Order: sequence, then structure tokens, then C-alpha cells
Amino acid sequence: NAGVTQTPKFQVLKTGQSMTLQCAQDMNHNSMYWYRQDPGMGLRLIYYSASEGTTDKGEVPNGYNVSRLNKREFSLRLESAAPSQTSVYFCASVPGLTAYEQYFGPGTRLTVT
Amino acid sequence: DQQVKQNSPSLSVQEGRISILNCDYTNSMFDYFLWYKKYPAEGPTFLISISSIKDKNEDGRFTVFLNKSAKHLSLHIVPSQPGDSAVYFCAASGYSGGGADGLTFGKGTHLIIQP
Repeated sequence: NAGVTQTPKFQVLKTGQSMTLQCAQDMNHNSMYWYRQDPGMGLRLIYYSASEGTTDKGEVPNGYNVSRLNKREFSLRLESAAPSQTSVYFCASVPGLTAYEQYFGPGTRLTVT
Repeated sequence: DQQVKQNSPSLSVQEGRISILNCDYTNSMFDYFLWYKKYPAEGPTFLISISSIKDKNEDGRFTVFLNKSAKHLSLHIVPSQPGDSAVYFCAASGYSGGGADGLTFGKGTHLIIQP
């Protein structure tokens, strides 16, 4: 039982390049989330998927797209990376709509130059 | 406008003493509060939580207190141990029936336990 896994762990992009961050959970959780954490800031919600087949914007969705591929996987795509998207990205999951405690992955550290 | 505020970026406490981490919130729709602990290069891990219908929740060395009228919560760690050195995030959810819409986090407090 690996919990929440994220790939890659580190990535460096040039401005304008695109990439997809992958997240998978093996806990049969219904809801999944993408957050970003910047220095001196808390985690901010980018997008979430309350259940398979649905996605919704969070607090900071601009410049990102998501796909809930199936119940296990939730990917985050940067179509045209910008230096302002340099951050640490965390994926999280929750068992269901009545649960609050989120389980987090180890994070992806992204640098855009 | 920050809805969850942790006004102390860092806190230094001697081993064996009590650590008290504070958190204030502005949104009265929040009905569930959580504390997460984060070590460098790892994801946050859930520590303890409290529903807005309670004023205290205890789990071993960790106790969370909620003062709804003051919109304030605190995390007490007694006794503090070296392994408690980490960044602690306060988080809140505003939707009854679960946090499916995500959590709102404070900026975190870096707790340092001195030997």
C-alpha cells in the first residue's frame, strides 16, 4: 500500500514548455486534489476532483488543467509554463465526501526558468 | 485576504516543555479544523482535527482547543520532543458533510525543539 504517489519528484522547465504532473492513489479514495506551496505560503488549492468524472477549480487554477483519468489517477498539466509556476506541487486524496483528513503525496518540486 | 492565519512564522521550545501553536480564522462558515505536520522534502501528514461542535480534542501528547467566539484555535504539544521539530499547518474546511471541496491552509509555523 503505497498511499499517494507523485511523479516526477523534480523537474526543470523552460518558459513556454509544457508538462504533466502525475498523481496516483491506491487507497480507493473518491476525492483528489492538487495544491501548490510557495515559500512562506501555505498550501493553495489549484483544482480538485470530488469524484471520478468531475473536476472543479480551486483558489489558483489559472495556467493549469487537470484530468481525472480514473478513480486512482489525477493529473495536472501546465500547457505553457511560466516562472510564476515555480513551486512545490502536492497531490492529496480523501476517502469520500464525508471525510476531511487528506492524505498527501511527497510532492513535485518544479522550477521554471 | 487570508482566511486562516498563523501569525508566528517560527517558535522555539525547549525539549520537555509545552509547545503552543496558534491559528486564527475569519470565515465563520468553517466547521472543521485540522493540523498538519510537515518535514522538509515530504508531504504534509495529518496530526489532529476538531469539529466546530467541540471545544477540545485530545490525542496522546497533542491537544487542539477551539474558541469559536474568538475564531481561534491552538495546538498544544506536551511534552515536546525533538521529533516534533517541523512546520505545522492549520487548515479549515467550510462544508458540512465533508471536505470534498478542499482545505484552506495557513502559512505554517516552524516549530524548533531545543535540546
